[in-house]
Amino acid sequence: GAGVSQSPSNKVTEKGKDVELRCDPISGHTALYWYRQSLGQGLEFLIYFQGNSAPDKSGLPSDRFSAERTGGSVSTLTIQRTQQEDSAVYLCASSLGGYQETQYFGPGTRLLVL
Amino acid sequence: KQEVTQIPAALSVPEGENLVLNCSFTDSAIYNLQWFRQDPGKGLTSLLLIQSSQREQTSGRLNASLDKSSGRSTLYIAASQPGDSATYLCAVCGSGGYNKLIFGAGTRLAVHP
Repeated sequence: GAGVSQSPSNKVTEKGKDVELRCDPISGHTALYWYRQSLGQGLEFLIYFQGNSAPDKSGLPSDRFSAERTGGSVSTLTIQRTQQEDSAVYLCASSLGGYQETQYFGPGTRLLVL
Repeated sequence: KQEVTQIPAALSVPEGENLVLNCSFTDSAIYNLQWFRQDPGKGLTSLLLIQSSQREQTSGRLNASLDKSSGRSTLYIAASQPGDSATYLCAVCGSGGYNKLIFGAGTRLAVHP
């Protein structure tokens, strides 16, 4: 299909390890977003990329979290030195760009930190 | 700080009923409001997007209204079906920053035959 894809779908890791989560947006979408969905916090914004502009990182919870977007397409969210409270579903979304546009979500990566 | 509240948190109805899900937000300076559906273990599916200048949007059996001045939106589902069972999320865009969606906690809907 032509939707947003994410990998892996599930990830189990040990506390202290680094993890990388990948997002492939819909072709032609210039805007890409990462959100986190956890039991205690609901769905919360993490980071937003728009074209070649500097990303909006205002939602990243700590400096252990970082993200990049290469070539204006694929994005990788990296969590360093994972903690148990990082366990959540990480959702990626993309849109054509601009605040008038619908955001389309991927299926998410379920991260469990033991 | 924008806060989004959804009422009720859970709803169980028999098939065929018309129902209303409510969403309220504290800051009326929004660009748009979106309703999403989430099935267990799945991502979000966009249902309707209402721009700040609009009053309502319709798609099939779904109708969403927006009263920006009072900070309220409703999602009306007509003739509910068991396949409508899911969690419905309301999200607003704007006051927290460009394209940053602020979500409510959702309404968990169960439609039983």
